[in-house]
Amino acid sequence: EPEVTQTPSHQVTQMGQEVILRCVPISNHLYFYWYRQILGQKVEFLVSFYNNEISEKSEIFDDQFSVERPDGSNFTLKIRSTKLEDSAMYFCASTDRSEQPQHFGDGTRLSIL
Amino acid sequence: SQQGEEDPQALSIQEGENATMNCSYKTSINNLQWYRQNSGRGLVHLILIRSNEREKHSGRLRVTLDTSKKSSSLLITASRAADTASYFCATPPYSSASKIIFGSGTRLSIRP
Repeated sequence: EPEVTQTPSHQVTQMGQEVILRCVPISNHLYFYWYRQILGQKVEFLVSFYNNEISEKSEIFDDQFSVERPDGSNFTLKIRSTKLEDSAMYFCASTDRSEQPQHFGDGTRLSIL
Repeated sequence: SQQGEEDPQALSIQEGENATMNCSYKTSINNLQWYRQNSGRGLVHLILIRSNEREKHSGRLRVTLDTSKKSSSLLITASRAADTASYFCATPPYSSASKIIFGSGTRLSIRP
């Protein structure tokens, strides 16, 4: 069964550095998402992406964050200048139609030192 | 805000018993979804129930939806050790087709 893949599985970065998290969504999917889960807390929506543009973003997704679909397969989340509070699991998801179940990757654990 | 809130927060049962988890939400929905998350892994979609449905089955899973009470339940019958995970209900807001809002989850432990 096709799956969403995320790399790296664990990223350790110094505070203030830029980090790029990578995702390969399921190939025929059109809607892409990033969520994050701080340890012990809820899964929180960050951003949705469709037709090469952001559909919606949460208040968490400030100017430090950006997303890109640089080619036909990758979907990236960039954090420009990381803060300690950015430490979390970041999950990528995709779906073929909106309001349908989303397929999640196994996440990238981001640790900011 | 349109959030699902699960109860109980944690549930520990003996293998073979049934597990019931509940979810309440605040505003109108088009559908409600249940997801499972194994420790250190991503979320896996289990079942989607539409607002005009009252009950849905999938294998050992049974989901009910009561839109008048804004609540849903997930029943796992004949539980197995592999069912140990966190379970989340999730609702796509009416105002947005672009995201789903997750509740805090129920942490289910199955004792052998």
